[in-house]
Amino acid sequence: DVKVTQSSRYLVKRTGEKVFLECVQDMDHENMFWYRQDPGLGLRLIYFSYDVKMKEKGDIPEGYSVSREKKERFSLILESASTNQTSMYLCASSSGQGRLRTFGSGTRLTVV
Amino acid sequence: DAKTTQPTSMDCAEGRAANLPCNHSTISGNEYVYWYRQIHSQGPQYIIHGLKNNETNEMASLIITEDRKSSTLILPHATLRDTAVYYCIHLPNNAGNMLTFGGGTRLMVKP
Repeated sequence: DVKVTQSSRYLVKRTGEKVFLECVQDMDHENMFWYRQDPGLGLRLIYFSYDVKMKEKGDIPEGYSVSREKKERFSLILESASTNQTSMYLCASSSGQGRLRTFGSGTRLTVV
Repeated sequence: DAKTTQPTSMDCAEGRAANLPCNHSTISGNEYVYWYRQIHSQGPQYIIHGLKNNETNEMASLIITEDRKSSTLILPHATLRDTAVYYCIHLPNNAGNMLTFGGGTRLMVKP
């Protein structure tokens, strides 16, 4: 069974902390994505990557950065966490030009 | 934006068929209709997709109208575990990276 694994289900961080959200997929997928999900706003794309060391901004990249040093791993970084980054963060992957996403279970981040 | 319109919520009795409608009047010729669902506290899960023919898999059936402006997802025998938010989206072939969900339909399967 294919899997996208996010390292934490729940995180609580303080304002100003640097936060790393890790995502690993075991499907040899080229594409990986980070979304955040907020009530009433649906799923919004933060960043995506279509190859190792490649990254592209999504709809809401401000306040975030990403790292893709290995094909299977895509990290989301909050350089200085703020309370408005409290959200559910979802990682996903897909193959090549595939539209089909496999999602992780999500990380619920609370910034206090 | 590739927007769809879905009812905010629906109820269904356990064991009965759940029919979830979606309007996608702005769909263009090369766009597929995709359905995902999200069970509470989990990531979205792919259900089914189609272009113009009706589709069926082990989870659901997808009925797309002839003009392709709307579709219906059918869960033939809803179980309590099918309680979730169901999202309908449409995407062209070259938009693989810009998947965006709207509000979806919250399906409540009741015993």
